[in-house]
Amino acid sequence: DIVVTQSPDSLAVSLGERATINCKSSQSVLYNSNKKNYLAWYQQKPGQPPKLLIYWASTRESGVPDRFSGSGSGTDFTLTISSLQAEDVAVYYCQQYYSTPLTFGGGTKVEIK
Amino acid sequence: EVQLLESGGDLVQPGGSLRLSCAASGFTFSSYVMNWVRQAPGKGLELVSAIDDSDGKTYYTDSVKGRFTISRDNSENTLYLQMNSLRAEDTAVYYCAKVLRGTSWYDALDVWGQGTTVTVSS
Repeated sequence: DIVVTQSPDSLAVSLGERATINCKSSQSVLYNSNKKNYLAWYQQKPGQPPKLLIYWASTRESGVPDRFSGSGSGTDFTLTISSLQAEDVAVYYCQQYYSTPLTFGGGTKVEIK
Repeated sequence: EVQLLESGGDLVQPGGSLRLSCAASGFTFSSYVMNWVRQAPGKGLELVSAIDDSDGKTYYTDSVKGRFTISRDNSENTLYLQMNSLRAEDTAVYYCAKVLRGTSWYDALDVWGQGTTVTVSS
């Protein structure tokens, strides 16, 4: 199984400041035939189901604000919130879908400083 | 509007059984791989089971193999999870989720239900 590790476990950022979350997979999730990274990011607010933010490591889902961006390739990925808003307080998960079983990172809790 | 609505969660004793349902609407259910993902209290996300769109191919995480059975009724746009021999460690919110592109197992999950709570306790 591909192990997905997120860091940090939590972070506190001031409103309007940048938040950066890291995700590392135990093996590459880059599929060479199509040059796509099989990596997604989700946001989960308390009492709600996860919401897909980004897929293919950097493609924003429809309706997701452009302050959210994803980057990286191979085994190392980053989710960046360029200017943290109050409504961004949540737990963020990365997930690899390169191979079964699809696996999630442990989550990163983002709070307001 | 694309929607998934789970039901069937309950408090059950260890060794008991439950059947979860997920009613789908707003998309062509029969064209999508469907998944059950669970979240234990205060914990992260775990893919429990998945089922192909048409030929019935299935996946189970190791801890539920032989105890859980996933199925679907494409005529009723409904996904099921039959859970037998339940254990305390199966306690979780269970979400159904559809894949983004349709027939691929290897895909992000773009629509999630609100979840149904399973509690296994004596």
